Amino acid sequence: AQSVTQPDIHITVSEGASLELRCNYSYGATPYLFWYVQSPGQGLQLLLKYFSGDTLVQGIKGFEAEFKRSQSSFNLRKPSVHWSDAAEYFCAAAMRISGGSNYKLTFGKGTLLTVNP
Amino acid sequence: DTGVSQDPRHKITKRGQNVTFRCDPISEHNRLYWYRQTLGQGPEFLTYFQNEAQLEKSRLLSDRFSAERPKGSFSTLEIQRTEQGDSAMYLCASSLGGASTEAFFGQGTRLTVV
Repeated sequence: AQSVTQPDIHITVSEGASLELRCNYSYGATPYLFWYVQSPGQGLQLLLKYFSGDTLVQGIKGFEAEFKRSQSSFNLRKPSVHWSDAAEYFCAAAMRISGGSNYKLTFGKGTLLTVNP
Repeated sequence: DTGVSQDPRHKITKRGQNVTFRCDPISEHNRLYWYRQTLGQGPEFLTYFQNEAQLEKSRLLSDRFSAERPKGSFSTLEIQRTEQGDSAMYLCASSLGGASTEAFFGQGTRLTVV
């Protein structure tokens, strides 16, 4: 079955420390991959996306992610975390539905990031 | 462009009542999605519209749920005879094209069934 797995439910880092959030996908082909961030009571904001080409993608707010086909992974990284990065992070894959060019997003369960001062 | 808007933001209803949520997508977006998010979970796909046509429905969408998108503009999601298990955040998203285009999400409608 097509799925997205985020192994870490909750991660705590100190402000200024580096961050890596893990994401693995299971899909018959290479899916389009996304990372979204959700602050409490808010909708989802797109951080970055991977479709093809360069496997290291840059996003907003200083985030980057690396696609590794051999590991079916798309991990999110940030070199230095800020207190405002505390939020829930969701990895998602666009998977085909209904034939044609129709897709739905399949999300992981999310990783809650806590940032200590 | 004010983004995707959802109304209401919060809804508390008694079990057995019917509720309806509205989503106004970004005006030029022809694709509209509904997702449901429960506590501690990622959003789960419910249904998808391309223009006014509902092209896909998840098995999560029981016969108590119905969604419409008249004239390919705003969309409504109705839940009949609500159950406590329907309590969740209902998210709407819209996009201009296929998988390679960004889906923009609304802030969601939080439903509490008491």
